[in-house]
Amino acid sequence: DQQVKQNSPSLSVQEGRISILNCDYTNSMFDYFLWYKKYPAEGPTFLISISSIKDKNEDGRFTVFLNKSAKHLSLHIVPSQPGDSAVYFCAASASDTDKLIFGTGTRLQVFP
Amino acid sequence: KAGVTQTPRYLIKTRGQQVTLSCSPISGHRSVSWYQQTPGQGLQFLFEYFSETQRNKGNFPGRFSGRQFSNSRSEMNVSTLELGDSALYLCASSSGQGGGYEQYFGPGTRLTVT
Repeated sequence: DQQVKQNSPSLSVQEGRISILNCDYTNSMFDYFLWYKKYPAEGPTFLISISSIKDKNEDGRFTVFLNKSAKHLSLHIVPSQPGDSAVYFCAASASDTDKLIFGTGTRLQVFP
Repeated sequence: KAGVTQTPRYLIKTRGQQVTLSCSPISGHRSVSWYQQTPGQGLQFLFEYFSETQRNKGNFPGRFSGRQFSNSRSEMNVSTLELGDSALYLCASSSGQGGGYEQYFGPGTRLTVT
């Protein structure tokens, strides 16, 4: 049972445009959500997070939106840069635990 | 501040052997979690430790074990290695006692079982 889903395995975006990565979850106990960027054979790099009491969090070029009723979150990257090309994972956790449930990842390619 | 460090970075073992991986969290972080990444299963949670206590365990066989020391450093052990244990093993640390805290990952240990 995949509790966190990233239905788009890949996304290709032109440099300077917006990248939108999506994530859906099924467990209503999740109340903290994180996005990570990952290169092969390296550990994930933390990008941005959001608590379930918020519906938006912004940090520079990265904005995460949370729609609790739809159990959906998205990561917006504006403007996209070639250095953003990587695999992006969303992850979720419930209260009182650091246990993260990860999605399967979306490979983002930003081309010039 | 130094990040999460993991040793060794690469390891080759033979089926049936055992292996111990080490993780040093970010200074001041008391929570350490371990994850396994494989091409087929993605990122899977192994264990979570806080103040030397295991708070959570993932769905892995008993061959996988871990511990945390008083300085928050953590080790995980895999006994009787199988070919399917070949994976990238990742350690993450956070400053909180659980839930709602950012977790920072180390570079991982690449384990190859032959």
